[in-house]
Amino acid sequence: DIQMTQSPSSLSTSVGDRITITCRASQSISSYLNWYQQKPGKAPKLLIYAASSLQSGVPSRFSGSGSTSGTDFTLTISSLQPEDFATYYCQQSYSAPPTFGQGTRVDIK
Amino acid sequence: QITLKESGPTLVKPTQTLTLTCTFSGFSLNSSVMGVGWIRQPPGKALEWLALIYWNDDKRYSPSLKSRLTITKDTSKNQVVLTMTNMDPVDTATYFCAHNGGSYWGAREIYFDYWGQGTLVTVSS
Repeated sequence: DIQMTQSPSSLSTSVGDRITITCRASQSISSYLNWYQQKPGKAPKLLIYAASSLQSGVPSRFSGSGSTSGTDFTLTISSLQPEDFATYYCQQSYSAPPTFGQGTRVDIK
Repeated sequence: QITLKESGPTLVKPTQTLTLTCTFSGFSLNSSVMGVGWIRQPPGKALEWLALIYWNDDKRYSPSLKSRLTITKDTSKNQVVLTMTNMDPVDTATYFCAHNGGSYWGAREIYFDYWGQGTLVTVSS
């Protein structure tokens, strides 16, 4: 299985800050990388698919990118809003089985 | 509008078989490229993909759980059913069903754009 490693595991930040979460794959996954947001007690919400495509209805302050190596990916929130405090997961679909990262918790400083 | 909802027991005993039903609306599993998956999340832990079934009855399973899982569909009822045998306390988790927003397995576009609310299943004697 492809291992997905997110960093940091947690992040304390403030409203208005720009934050970046990194996801590293154990091997190249091209651009088959997706990002989800999950709030406590709720189902995950798809934010970004195919590394950089914004899911319909997701605010433009969310963006995703990937490296040419196909192993390093980032999720950026340009100006953190109160509703963005949540846990974020990456997920690869390049190779079966689809696998998720361990999550990055974003909370209020 | 696509919606999904999981149903099933909240408590099962070790060694028992778990049967979960996902009832959905807003799309048809008779339509090309449509797929429904199951994902679980132990309390306080990360997400784990379990299985996926497509409109053409192609079924995909997590290799680590394949021997214990069966996924089926009933298109007339708009339902997908997941069974997991020989339940163990480590299988305690919230189980989600979700609509696959990508295309077919071979295209590697597996991402879940609509999710059910999840159902917590506890395995305990």
